[in-house]
Amino acid sequence: NAGVMQNPRHLVRRRGQEARLRCSPMKGHSHVYWYRQLPEEGLKFMVYLQKENIIDESGMPKERFSAEFPKEGPSILRIQQVVRGDSAAYFCASSPRQGSTVYGYTFGSGTRLTVV
Amino acid sequence: DQQVKQNSPSLSVQEGRISILNCDYTNSMFDYFLWYKKYPAEGPTFLISISSIKDKNEDGRFTVFLNKSAKHLSLHIVPSQPGDSAVYFCAASANAGGTSYGKLTFGQGTILTVHP
Repeated sequence: NAGVMQNPRHLVRRRGQEARLRCSPMKGHSHVYWYRQLPEEGLKFMVYLQKENIIDESGMPKERFSAEFPKEGPSILRIQQVVRGDSAAYFCASSPRQGSTVYGYTFGSGTRLTVV
Repeated sequence: DQQVKQNSPSLSVQEGRISILNCDYTNSMFDYFLWYKKYPAEGPTFLISISSIKDKNEDGRFTVFLNKSAKHLSLHIVPSQPGDSAVYFCAASANAGGTSYGKLTFGQGTILTVHP
């Protein structure tokens, strides 16, 4: 039973390019959360999605960032026109139902984005 | 606005002794608290949680204490082992009313080093 799969593990982009981060939740999980960890900081909530729906995007920057979780395939976090400040570790977590904090979410290993 | 704070960036403990990691929060709406452990280049792993209706939860060597009046929680690890060396994150969730969708607010983390 594979865990939450994120790819790529490492991504290097030049300023102005687009970054696409993918997250495949655990089997049977239809709820996906994206978090970002800036250097020397804790994880910050970005967005919560269910299949084909964005439920809560209150943590997403207003511009350049978007997320989707299509009916088929992984969840995608997309960052357009990346800047140096986007360099961070991006973690995806999945759960079988909304608000499953009782057991904690299952996190992926993250994608480390470096903008040069 | 740091709603969850871990004021000790690091903690060093001798093997076999007790490790005590502390966490403070400011948001009175938080009603569920979790501890995550994180190794370098990996995602956070759920360790233990506690509901606000309890003041203590124990799981093997790990015990979490919650003091609601002080808005303070702590994680005790007894006895500490070298394999416990990692970054520990405190996280909180406000599920009351079902409006938070289970999103977590994390502290900045504490680096625990257990010396043999």
